[in-house]
Amino acid sequence: ETVLTQSPGTLSLSPGERATLSCRASQSVIINYIAWYQQKPGQAPRLLIYGASSRATGIPDRFSASGSGTDFSLTITRLEPEDFAVYYCQQYGDSLTFGGGTKVEIK
Amino acid sequence: QVTLRESGPAVVKRTQTLTLTCTFSGISLTTRGVSVGWIRQPPGKALEWLALIDWDDDKFYSTSLTTRLTVSRDTSKNQAVLTMTNMDPVDTATYYCAVSKSSYDYYFDFWGQGTLVTVSS
Repeated sequence: ETVLTQSPGTLSLSPGERATLSCRASQSVIINYIAWYQQKPGQAPRLLIYGASSRATGIPDRFSASGSGTDFSLTITRLEPEDFAVYYCQQYGDSLTFGGGTKVEIK
Repeated sequence: QVTLRESGPAVVKRTQTLTLTCTFSGISLTTRGVSVGWIRQPPGKALEWLALIDWDDDKFYSTSLTTRLTVSRDTSKNQAVLTMTNMDPVDTATYYCAVSKSSYDYYFDFWGQGTLVTVSS
């Protein structure tokens, strides 16, 4: 089973700043089968990114993602107030697993 | 518009079997490439994938929970059903169903609101 480790656990930033979140896999992810989700308190997760770098429908272009092999990242270029949330990566190349999440909080 | 809704008991007792139903609209589990997954989240913790059923009735389970899980579907009712046996307080979580419409790329485009299940001892 592929284990996903997200870092940092918490990211404290101000609106307008850039956020970079990391997701590291315990083994190479097949065909970059990585997705990213955003989850706000009391809500279900929302798909942001699939295929390591493709934005889902309706996702603003301030969200971007990249990576290959075992190292993947999600970048939010300029944080908006609604972007403060928890972010999860998921791999779907070897069964399915989720990372432990990164909380982006207001500094 | 795709919508999903989970339903089932809010409380189950230790050792009992949990049965959850996911009722969805705007999509069909008979459409090629569509699948329904089950994911849970203990309070304050991360997401954990549990099971998935495909449009062609293939079923996949989390390795760590495979002996306790069964997933099925009722295409006439647009429903997917998850059963989990031998429930324990550590299984207390919000249980989500979610749809993947991407033909064997199992990321989840649409999610239900989730249902909190508490396991009492």
